[in-house]
Amino acid sequence: NAGVTQTPKFRVLKTGQSMTLLCAQDMNHEYMYWYRQDPGMGLRLIHYSVGEGTTAKGEVPDGYNVSRLKKQNFLLGLESAAPSQTSVYFCASSLSVSNQPQHFGDGTRLSIL
Amino acid sequence: KQEVTQIPAALSVPEGENLVLNCSFTDSAIYNLQWFRQDPGKGLTSLLLIQSSQREQTSGRLNASLDKSSGRSTLYIAASQPGDSATYLCAVRSYSGAGSYQLTFGKGTKLSVIP
Repeated sequence: NAGVTQTPKFRVLKTGQSMTLLCAQDMNHEYMYWYRQDPGMGLRLIHYSVGEGTTAKGEVPDGYNVSRLKKQNFLLGLESAAPSQTSVYFCASSLSVSNQPQHFGDGTRLSIL
Repeated sequence: KQEVTQIPAALSVPEGENLVLNCSFTDSAIYNLQWFRQDPGKGLTSLLLIQSSQREQTSGRLNASLDKSSGRSTLYIAASQPGDSATYLCAVRSYSGAGSYQLTFGKGTKLSVIP
C-alpha cells in the first residue's frame, strides 16, 4: 500500500549543482503536484500536471523544471541549485482536480550549501 | 489572491479535553476545504475533505465544519489523546484559471496534548 513515494528522502547539494527528485504514485491518479514547505511560509505549489505529458506552473516555478513522461511518475529538476532552494519538497497526487483529496508523500529534505 | 489563516499557531491541552482549531479564508469562492495532519519529519495525511455544498464532515473523533459565506472552518477534536499531537493544516481549493484548481494552505496549528 505504497501510495505516493518520494526519492531521495534527504540530499545535500552545493550551489550550482543539479539534481532530480522523483515522485511515484501507484493509485492511477491523473493529477500530480510538487510543493515546497518553508518555515513560516506554509506549502506553496511549484508545478503540477493534469496528465501524462502535460505540466503547468504553480505559484513559485522559477528555478525548477518538471516532466511527466509516465502517468505514475512526476520528476522535479533543479538545473543550478541555489541556497534559496533549501526546503522540504512534497509531491502529491489526486484522482480529480477539483473534488477529491490530495495524497502526499513523506517529503524530500534538500539542503543547498 | 486567496489567503488562509489558522489561529492559534500553537495550542497545548491536557489529555481528554475537547478542542477546536480554526481556519479562515479570504475568498469564499472555494470548491472544497481539506484538513491535514502533519507529524514531525513526515508528509501530510488527509483527515477530512468538505465540499463547498456541505456544512460538515465527521470521521471518528474529528468533526470539521464549513461556513463558506463567512470564510471559516473549524476542526473539532473530541477527547484528545497524546497521539493527536501534530501540526494540523487547513487548505482551500479554488479555481485559479485555465482549468486549474489549486490548494492554498494555512501555516498550521501545532497541537500538543499533554498526558
